[in-house]
Amino acid sequence: ELKVEQNPLFLSMQEGKNYTIYCNYSTTSDRLYWYRQDPGKSLESLFVLLSNGAVKQEGRLMASLDTKARLSTLHITAAVHDLSATYFCAVPPAESGGSNYKLTFGKGTLLTVNP
Amino acid sequence: GAVVSQHPSWVICKSGTSVKIECRSLDFQATTMFWYRQFPKQSLMLMATSNEGSKATYEQGVEKDKFLINHASLTLSTLTVTSAHPEDSSFYICSASGGAGSGYTFGSGTRLTVV
Repeated sequence: ELKVEQNPLFLSMQEGKNYTIYCNYSTTSDRLYWYRQDPGKSLESLFVLLSNGAVKQEGRLMASLDTKARLSTLHITAAVHDLSATYFCAVPPAESGGSNYKLTFGKGTLLTVNP
Repeated sequence: GAVVSQHPSWVICKSGTSVKIECRSLDFQATTMFWYRQFPKQSLMLMATSNEGSKATYEQGVEKDKFLINHASLTLSTLTVTSAHPEDSSFYICSASGGAGSGYTFGSGTRLTVV
């Protein structure tokens, strides 16, 4: 059974600081997804990481994937208040060649950026 | 980009009644639809996976007679919560695969409150 662990689950940081959210998963998978969820809203896609060593950046967020270590990181640079949200990583099973397979989600990281 | 329209965005119903939630893929054919529920401050829990024209596959512990899923076309899937009870109150989110790229597109969610 695929398990996905995120840490930390809660993160309170000051504006301007850097931090990293970690996502570990238990069985082989060749891709990983990061999502953002604002209170009362659905999920917004942030990154799709499709191969070992993949790195993607969008604004102050950068995500990477190490399939050998079964680890993905979401790095936040110089945080701003607008980044406050819950961040989820999600992993499909190993045999997925497309997106028709169910995702297993981490528990989410509630990020609060304080002025 | 791929868009999934989910309706209604919120609904309040009386205990014992049924509620139907619709998800439509607007600009692509959704070969597979996933239905999730999310309780406050928790992660997404997959309820069922449906493929167009076939019966949905339900996750363990999800009552298939209570949560009826229909995926009659490549652009429409519905979730009907039958004989709703207060414990069914939750945030329900659909997700579709089949759009461009390797991702999953999420609907905007439906907040169900059963009184």
